[in-house]
Amino acid sequence: DAGVIQSPRHEVTEMGQEVTLRCKPISGHNSLFWYRQTMMRGLELLIYFNNNVPIDDSGMPEDRFSAKMPNASFSTLKIQPSEPRDSAVYFCASSWPYSGHNEQFFGPGTRLTVL
Amino acid sequence: KNEVEQSPQNLTAQEGEFITINCSYSVGISALHWLQQHPGGGIVSLFMLSSGKKKHGRLIATINIQEKHSSLHITASHPRDSAVYICAVRSPGSEKLVFGKGTKLTVNP
Repeated sequence: DAGVIQSPRHEVTEMGQEVTLRCKPISGHNSLFWYRQTMMRGLELLIYFNNNVPIDDSGMPEDRFSAKMPNASFSTLKIQPSEPRDSAVYFCASSWPYSGHNEQFFGPGTRLTVL
Repeated sequence: KNEVEQSPQNLTAQEGEFITINCSYSVGISALHWLQQHPGGGIVSLFMLSSGKKKHGRLIATINIQEKHSSLHITASHPRDSAVYICAVRSPGSEKLVFGKGTKLTVNP
């Protein structure tokens, strides 16, 4: 398996623009997580899905952020409009929670810069 | 106060030294994870613990549930161990992870 796939790897955009980050989880995994990492706050959970259903979105900063998982193999995180304070590395991770290990496998991340 | 506290924040060691990184948490948990973030940014899961001790190669992780404390040990450290080590706790009945700020380890040759 190729692991968790994220695209793009780098995104530079201007304030006010819409940004869409994409994630393909590991095949067979039924939990998907979106995280944000900044120097100031470290890693934070934004939202996670189980069987394509959002379970906990308490970490989503505000209405400018939205996430969808239309099927088991694809998820998007959208920021509209983007602001400079959204600059961060966004990680997607997936897991198979019934293995007894709940190990999360992380994608390579998308480095977002909002100018 | 953060729910998950790690110490030290930064650690520099000489190759071959025994390394200990500590993690304390203030909430009830179902499991604790240790993650490694490479200088290139990739994150890898090292251990998941709910009790006792686990060992993988030169890495050992322990947890004391009563004291709400975990340690990650690296024996015979090597420059390739240089990375940020992150502790994360999982709440009971949830898959949500809450992370510590990480410990940046540098092992010099």
